[in-house]
Amino acid sequence: TQLLEQSPQFLSIQEGENLTVYCNSSSVFSSLQWYRQEPGEGPVLLVTVVTGGEVKKLKRLTFQFGDARKDSSLHITAAQPGDTGLYLCAGEETGNNRKLIWGLGTSLAVNP
Amino acid sequence: DTAVSQTPKYLVTQMGNDKSIKCEQNLGHDTMYWYKQDSKKFLKIMFSYNNKELIINETVPNRFSPKSPDKAHLNLHINSLELGDSAVYFCASRPSGGNYGYTFGSGTRLTVV
Repeated sequence: TQLLEQSPQFLSIQEGENLTVYCNSSSVFSSLQWYRQEPGEGPVLLVTVVTGGEVKKLKRLTFQFGDARKDSSLHITAAQPGDTGLYLCAGEETGNNRKLIWGLGTSLAVNP
Repeated sequence: DTAVSQTPKYLVTQMGNDKSIKCEQNLGHDTMYWYKQDSKKFLKIMFSYNNKELIINETVPNRFSPKSPDKAHLNLHINSLELGDSAVYFCASRPSGGNYGYTFGSGTRLTVV
């Protein structure tokens, strides 16, 4: 069974701080997706990274896919209370079915 | 305008009952999924359909039966509900082919008492 290790599991920071969330695996993925989930809602796609070494920016969020396509990171600059939520990474398997392998999530709380 | 809609949002039922959750997407996506999210927020895939054809069937009890009448709908029927079935169930869809992300519904919180 493929695993996707996500860390840290919990993070509580003050507004204005920076943070990084990591997703690591021993398996190669065809893509790596990041989602954000708020209470009572489904996960919402933030970004998909496909190419090894790829970096994508979404305002204050920077996503990076490892060169070997086995790991990824999400960096948030100057976090705001509105960034609070559960961040999930998911690696898409190679092959025909291309299931998503999910991390356990990082619960982020940004305090004013 | 809801892209992926699930009903009901909340479902409280007694052990042994049979219940259904409905899902519809208006995005024109070919592939639909059912996921179960446990109390630790881990998302576990249950089923996947592509153009009404079952393509992923994870190790799920036979009491769970998906049905896809057309590619815009994927329903989940659960027989003989057990306490351990309590969770949030998410429907999702995506276009087939390519590295597309998933669009999720807002979930159905099932509580078996």
